[in-house]
Amino acid sequence: AQKVTQAQTEISVVEKEDVTLDCVYETRDTTYYLFWYKQPPSGELVFLIRRNSFDEQNEISGRYSWNFQKSTSSFNFTITASQVVDSAVYFCALSDLGKTGGFKTIFGAGTRLFVKA
Amino acid sequence: DGGITQSPKYLFRKEGQNVTLSCEQNLNHDAMYWYRQDPGQGLRLIYYSQIVNDFQKGDIAEGYSVSREKKESFPLTVTSAQKNPTAFYLCASSKRDGAVSGNTIYFGEGSWLTVV
Repeated sequence: AQKVTQAQTEISVVEKEDVTLDCVYETRDTTYYLFWYKQPPSGELVFLIRRNSFDEQNEISGRYSWNFQKSTSSFNFTITASQVVDSAVYFCALSDLGKTGGFKTIFGAGTRLFVKA
Repeated sequence: DGGITQSPKYLFRKEGQNVTLSCEQNLNHDAMYWYRQDPGQGLRLIYYSQIVNDFQKGDIAEGYSVSREKKESFPLTVTSAQKNPTAFYLCASSKRDGAVSGNTIYFGEGSWLTVV
């Protein structure tokens, strides 16, 4: 079964706090891809990162970091020293082969992050 | 600049009318997608197309139709059969997914459709 769970519906933090957005996934495939997207109030989903299932190295990009752990089927996203501009809805997504023979991508329900000044 | 252009940004539809949302991409991507997003909810796949003149139903295709006559264009028609069409619609594209690689999906800015 293909599933992405973002248990946190909304998170509210004060500027400069660190915040972690959780993502737990389910897949039967050994080859799969995980993604994070940011959706600011303007509406467009902005691609942030893509990881494949064979690369468990954590990644850091500026204030953003991602922790991929296959043992717990999690791909968590941390924002360090949050800023008001980080306020958005964040989506985690999973792409795997599924039943159709081609890759299919599904999205979690999203986590709305409020960063207060 | 390369990207995905959706139009119109805001659209109002009367009951019983069909409306068409436009989506154009100049990223040279083979695959294109339409997603629906309801307030406070995630994305649901309506239709997708991996190649010109071919498209497949997604999870919520009822009441929608698409065409893929050109690589760059993937318009979505919301028909009168769609009972609850008020939502945010996102068009997206990617390189064509193969059997060994899942490609990153890139999104347009979205279109708001409201039934009045």
